[in-house]
Amino acid sequence: AQSVTQLDSQVPVFEEAPVELRCNYSSSVSVYLFWYVQYPNQGLQLLLKYLSGSTLVKGINGFEAEFNKSQTSFHLRKPSVHISDTAEYFCAVSRGVYALNFGKGTSLLVTP
Amino acid sequence: KAGVTQTPRYLIKTRGQQVTLSCSPISGHRSVSWYQQTPGQGLQFLFEYFSETQRNKGNFPGRFSGRQFSNSRSEMNVSTLELGDSALYLCASSLGGQWTEAFFGQGTRLTVV
Repeated sequence: AQSVTQLDSQVPVFEEAPVELRCNYSSSVSVYLFWYVQYPNQGLQLLLKYLSGSTLVKGINGFEAEFNKSQTSFHLRKPSVHISDTAEYFCAVSRGVYALNFGKGTSLLVTP
Repeated sequence: KAGVTQTPRYLIKTRGQQVTLSCSPISGHRSVSWYQQTPGQGLQFLFEYFSETQRNKGNFPGRFSGRQFSNSRSEMNVSTLELGDSALYLCASSLGGQWTEAFFGQGTRLTVV
């Protein structure tokens, strides 16, 4: 079975500072990993995905993530955050059968 | 092009009632998935349909059911509502391949009183 652990439930950060949101997964088979963002009262928007190939994945809005197979991690990073990045972020692993397993989410709060 | 449309956006129902939620996928998308989002359990997969066939189902009781129509629109039904069914129900559509991007709707907020 595949599961996802997001290590921080809340991450406060100042505007223009770097941020890392941590995600670990467990799986006995090859995995496909995703990061989604959810703004208040909205659905989920895909930030980036790892299917294969380069372990450094670049996404929208300046986010990137690195797939680390040995550490079973897929941490999300941004070198300089904006107030508008305040949102809930979800890491997900594909179950390989047209479904996603999501982590519990990390609330990113960016303050001036 | 238009995104995924879920109706209604908000619903209030009484325990024991049943409810039907609707999802219209992006034009050309043949796969529709449903997820339940609650503060305690987070996002949980309900089921996925492709060309009117259920391809996968999550671990939910039989009170939760769904269907997909020939135009790819989907409905999910919850019978005998319980307080714990209060949640945001999200629908996602995709082209249908295993690794194609899923686009989410804004969700239907269901409150059971």
